[in-house]
Amino acid sequence: QQPVQSPQAVILREGEDAVINCSSSKALYSVHWYRQKHGEAPVFLMILLKGGEQKGHEKISASFNEKKQQSSLYLTASQLSYSGTYFCGGSNYKLTFGKGTLLTVNP
Amino acid sequence: NAGVMQNPRHLVRRRGQEARLRCSPMKGHSHVYWYRQLPEEGLKFMVYLQKENIIDESGMPKERFSAEFPKEGPSILRIQQVVRGDSAAYFCASSPPGGETEQYFGPGTRLTVT
Repeated sequence: QQPVQSPQAVILREGEDAVINCSSSKALYSVHWYRQKHGEAPVFLMILLKGGEQKGHEKISASFNEKKQQSSLYLTASQLSYSGTYFCGGSNYKLTFGKGTLLTVNP
Repeated sequence: NAGVMQNPRHLVRRRGQEARLRCSPMKGHSHVYWYRQLPEEGLKFMVYLQKENIIDESGMPKERFSAEFPKEGPSILRIQQVVRGDSAAYFCASSPPGGETEQYFGPGTRLTVT
């Protein structure tokens, strides 16, 4: 089963904040976050591991609730370059991606 | 450090032909994954390989699709007798050895079957 992401889409003005949520019905070893712009490859943003370890983009933060199998990605002071589709991936070494959240940042 | 490389970037095949997609992982990475993305959809896992071994091919269609990662050279995803439904973007990702690590994606191969 693929993770469920919410919201499906969000529109922001530059400088606003957003939270994207990801929920899995299966136990996960880790959660990965990627951003994909149209016609391009997914770009790694963040990995969150059991036990609280994180690795990723300096300007992006995320959380992983292991008990609830939920993760949230926090985008603060959004920039135009943040626009794209955000995918969370639940990992047991292979990634099972959610359907994505389309984020649009307008001037 | 060069990223994940895939070629060709675009591939057009007629129905019934074979498609070969190549992926060279990042230097130092020994794990390769293939994903397929249909238009306006998310990425779907196909296969996970290490050198000379298929670790998990649970996402691969049972027929016409095969993958390999030889001791020398790139990983190859092979699709025989392509059909229109195979048209998609195929992404390769690689990761370093050891535990749960991030995966880095290549630019993808966009396959069009006419």
